[in-house]
Amino acid sequence: DTEVTQTPKHLVMGMTNKKSLKCEQHMGHRAMYWYKQKAKKPPELMFVYSYEKLSINESVPSRFSPECPNSSLLNLHLHALQPEDSALYLCASSRNSGEQYFGPGTRLTVT
Amino acid sequence: GQQVMQIPQYQHVQEGEDFTTYCNSSTTLSNIQWYKQRPGGHPVFLIQLVKSGEVKKQKRLTFQFGEAKKNSSLHITATQTTDVGTYFCAGPWWEDSNYQLIWGAGTKLIIKP
Repeated sequence: DTEVTQTPKHLVMGMTNKKSLKCEQHMGHRAMYWYKQKAKKPPELMFVYSYEKLSINESVPSRFSPECPNSSLLNLHLHALQPEDSALYLCASSRNSGEQYFGPGTRLTVT
Repeated sequence: GQQVMQIPQYQHVQEGEDFTTYCNSSTTLSNIQWYKQRPGGHPVFLIQLVKSGEVKKQKRLTFQFGEAKKNSSLHITATQTTDVGTYFCAGPWWEDSNYQLIWGAGTKLIIKP
């Protein structure tokens, strides 16, 4: 099974809302990633979890809060977002430093 | 820090013509990975090249890793509509033992109607 699942597929939220994005993988991968992707751009790394510990935070604003409840799950909690945060949010996983497997993404619109 | 440059940004081809995208790294890479993202989709891993001068083929796709392990190319022979999408190269980067990928800007393959 090489599948990474993400929910929801689409999300529209106001600037005062709180929502969460969820990601799950059952490949036994110990590294999990959150990326943000704007149109016509490559994925932009936000956070990396390695063995359930946050190892990289690419200076992401505090309105984005990651959480790794266990080795299969990754959440991204959203609060007080701005319209410029509208993007495709991708979760990925990998075996340590190998190739990355991406989920289908959550297309987020902030109104 | 490390940079990965990728050109061209777009390539328009007639169906059946060839397509090539090039990546160049500012530093020597331990490996390079290639991904394809279809319109409206997510990046999908295609291949990883590890050895200096390595050439790998997947049907009509040919991947090359330069002798100095600083550049790479992807060549598609006789493009088909199923090849449409954006092709990204990505190189590994470690900072304080933490691993991440540094991504090229991508090359979008567009088939002319």
